[in-house]
Amino acid sequence: DAGVIQSPRHEVTEMGQEVTLRCKPISGHNSLFWYRQTMMRGLELLIYFNNNVPIDDSGMPEDRFSAKMPNASFSTLKIQPSEPRDSAVYFCASSPRWETQYFGPGTRLLVL
Amino acid sequence: GENVEQHPSTLSVQEGDSAVIKCTYSDSASNYFPWYKQELGKRPQLIIDIRSNVGEKKDQRIAVTLNKTAKHFSLHITETQPEDSAVYFCAATGGGADGLTFGKGTHLIIQP
Repeated sequence: DAGVIQSPRHEVTEMGQEVTLRCKPISGHNSLFWYRQTMMRGLELLIYFNNNVPIDDSGMPEDRFSAKMPNASFSTLKIQPSEPRDSAVYFCASSPRWETQYFGPGTRLLVL
Repeated sequence: GENVEQHPSTLSVQEGDSAVIKCTYSDSASNYFPWYKQELGKRPQLIIDIRSNVGEKKDQRIAVTLNKTAKHFSLHITETQPEDSAVYFCAATGGGADGLTFGKGTHLIIQP
């Protein structure tokens, strides 16, 4: 099993640009989570899908952030327009239920 | 929602000594408590977890204890080794539609 796959691994963009982060969960897992990690705020849950349906998006910071899960093997997190304060490491995690979560390698985002 | 407090934020111990990291949670309905280890530049990885129907769980040099009455749980690492140096996160969840709520993390430093 390849584990959770995220792309890109690194992204550098300019303020105002659209950023799309991608995640492929572990096959057979029906829960998917997007997290943001910064030194100041630690690990924050942004949104959580169960069986491709968004369950809790209360952690999404603003309307600039949106997430989709069109099928069981793919999810995207989009930031439009991006701002410097969005710079962080974004992790995707998947779980066979909602408990034990397996993290992807993360995407390091830098917004200039 | 759930709130998880983790202490200390930094812990330095001599190699071979024991390390203890403590967490408290607020939601008495929480019933699953995982611990993750994150090495520098890498993803969080599950090292041990405990459910609310168990008071203690061990895996080699690592153990976790849970006190439901006091709503706190702890990670114990014995005979610490240099490779134990990392950031450790506790988390809690009540299940259902909730995702994991993470503590802020403890930077464990093993002094040679």
